[in-house]
Amino acid sequence: NAGVTQTPKFRILKIGQSMTLQCTQDMNHNYMYWYRQDPGMGLKLIYYSVGAGITDKGEVPNGYNVSRSTTEDFPLRLELAAPSQTSVYFCASTSKGGRPNTEAFFGQGTRLTVV
Amino acid sequence: AQSVTQLDSHVSVSEGTPVLLRCNYSSSYSPSLFWYVQHPNKGLQLLLKYTSAATLVKGINGFEAEFKKSETSFHLTKPSAHMSDAAEYFCVVSDTRSGGYNKLIFGAGTRLAVHP
Repeated sequence: NAGVTQTPKFRILKIGQSMTLQCTQDMNHNYMYWYRQDPGMGLKLIYYSVGAGITDKGEVPNGYNVSRSTTEDFPLRLELAAPSQTSVYFCASTSKGGRPNTEAFFGQGTRLTVV
Repeated sequence: AQSVTQLDSHVSVSEGTPVLLRCNYSSSYSPSLFWYVQHPNKGLQLLLKYTSAATLVKGINGFEAEFKKSETSFHLTKPSAHMSDAAEYFCVVSDTRSGGYNKLIFGAGTRLAVHP
């Protein structure tokens, strides 16, 4: 079972460069999420999507963009990389939204360094 | 607003001894609570979740957690640590009133080290 797959696993970017973090899930989940994890902190929500064509901002959206053209894919775009975006990024999905006790499935993460 | 506090950033135990990872939550209504584990270079995996059916929740790999409303706690325990338990553990509360998506609020994490 593939579950949630993220690519790449590691990336080093120069300040001002752009890149796209890829995320795909094969569980037919409508809800998908992007989180960032900074050292000593819990995960913070960047963007989420409740279905194809629908996205919305989370807690820390500045400097990022997303799209959701299909149920399976939810890429995260960094347009002008900044050192503050050095972090580990996780993609996740859930089968339901707004329901108690719904398990979230996470990808393996992308470790991004901006220098 | 809901919040989660993990009381220890690092816990170190010897193999075969008990594990206790502490978590307190703040919620103005009945919370949905989870523990996730993150092994090195892996994604987060669900250990267990509180469903309100029972206050003592059993999870995978011998872990369990007890929901104590009076203490607003949801501590994670295991009777006997194994080397493979070394990982980072996150206590999470779900805000189910977020209006259409699962808003997960994460604690800062507790890194568990297990020594031979």
